Amino acid sequence: DSGVTQTPKHLITATGQRVTLRCSPRSGDLSVYWYQQSLDQGLQFLIHYYNGEERAKGNILERFSAQQFPDLHSELNLSSLELGDSALYFCASSGGGQGRETQYFGPGTRLLVL
Amino acid sequence: GESVGLHLPTLSVQEGDNSIINCAYSNSASDYFIWYKQESGKGPQFIIDIRSNMDKRQGQRVTVLLNKTVKHLSLQIAATQPGDSAVYFCAEISRYSSASKIIFGSGTRLSIRP
Repeated sequence: DSGVTQTPKHLITATGQRVTLRCSPRSGDLSVYWYQQSLDQGLQFLIHYYNGEERAKGNILERFSAQQFPDLHSELNLSSLELGDSALYFCASSGGGQGRETQYFGPGTRLLVL
Repeated sequence: GESVGLHLPTLSVQEGDNSIINCAYSNSASDYFIWYKQESGKGPQFIIDIRSNMDKRQGQRVTVLLNKTVKHLSLQIAATQPGDSAVYFCAEISRYSSASKIIFGSGTRLSIRP
């Protein structure tokens, strides 16, 4: 158990819909990272938040957004969902803000868009 | 559990033998490398890391070797056990990355023969 929690574990929705994925980092960690893992593209970095502020963006679509709240939990919002958005979504946390330390991953949310 | 990367290269190893998993990285500016293990239905789990000022680092039953000349990273697992069955990812981070643009390899599936 990494100490990172994610909810829900599974999510099934329809195209065009909007969903919110939630992540709670390990106790004391200030950074939260979001990743998408699909069968054909492996692990793709989406976005990094540190202590409530966005630090870096990766391959995140404009239909996707995220935020980190004062209690350090984070939410990833996915809107206008398409079939291709079906994937595993992981969040990870780390103590620092530079992204150059070990990241601890949560169990993931499996999203299926029908 | 879910299958990640159905088309990943697979390494099949006899139980008790040593496993060597290889990774070629792309960015000569990368100076921090991590190996992750991902079991079916779970998030990636940190195994071992190495910085570019080192050629070798040992952990418990695992060794990471770094060859900067040819941009190659390997993970050696001694006395492979059934619990080592998983997908293994290498990850690289560049010293010039202002934040957390970690790049993951596509992964190798390790399969253990009894």
